[in-house]
Amino acid sequence: AQTVTQSQPEMSVQEAETVTLSCTYDTSESDYYLFWYKQPPSRQMILVIRQEAYKQQNATENRFSVNFQKAAKSFSLKISDSQLGDAAMYFCAYRSGSRLTFGEGTQLTVNP
Amino acid sequence: ETGVTQTPRHLVMGMTNKKSLKCEQHLGHNAMYWYKQSAKKPLELMFVYNFKEQTENNSVPSRFSPECPNSSHLFLHLHTLQPEDSALYLCASSLARGRIVSFTEAFFGQGTRLTVV
Repeated sequence: AQTVTQSQPEMSVQEAETVTLSCTYDTSESDYYLFWYKQPPSRQMILVIRQEAYKQQNATENRFSVNFQKAAKSFSLKISDSQLGDAAMYFCAYRSGSRLTFGEGTQLTVNP
Repeated sequence: ETGVTQTPRHLVMGMTNKKSLKCEQHLGHNAMYWYKQSAKKPLELMFVYNFKEQTENNSVPSRFSPECPNSSHLFLHLHTLQPEDSALYLCASSLARGRIVSFTEAFFGQGTRLTVV
């Protein structure tokens, strides 16, 4: 069974600084997708960034980028120039076939 | 607003009540999902529907009964729930290709906060 592990229950960052959230996963599949979702206090789960496993190039979306290490089964999220609106719970997720598996989440606090 | 709407936003029900959660998507998706989000636990997949057919039931107790009358609507009927069923219930939708639910990203609603008393 696939599992997703986020080892940092909480993280904090100063506004305008950079923070990296960690995620590892366990799978025997070769074809899969990885995602980072953000859940602010409004509870709306919002997609931040996605990565296809067959792509070696790391995905980037504006201030958000990932470090995808397929052999190590690692998928970390880097947030640059952190903003107050980035404060939220961040979930790493793995998808293969019909099942989307989530990690436990990392609560990110952004300090002004 | 992601195009997935869940009602009600909050629900308090007794253990002998019957209630239903509703999810509606306006994205033209053909796959819909129910997830349960409890405190300190990862999101748990409950049900998957593809083209109105249930393709996955993740060992969910029968007191939870899903219904998918069409690709745009998904219901979760609740009956004789237990206090441990209190959680945030999230609906999601995505685009499936054919009969194989092979979606990219899922779009989520804002959830229904359920409290069982």
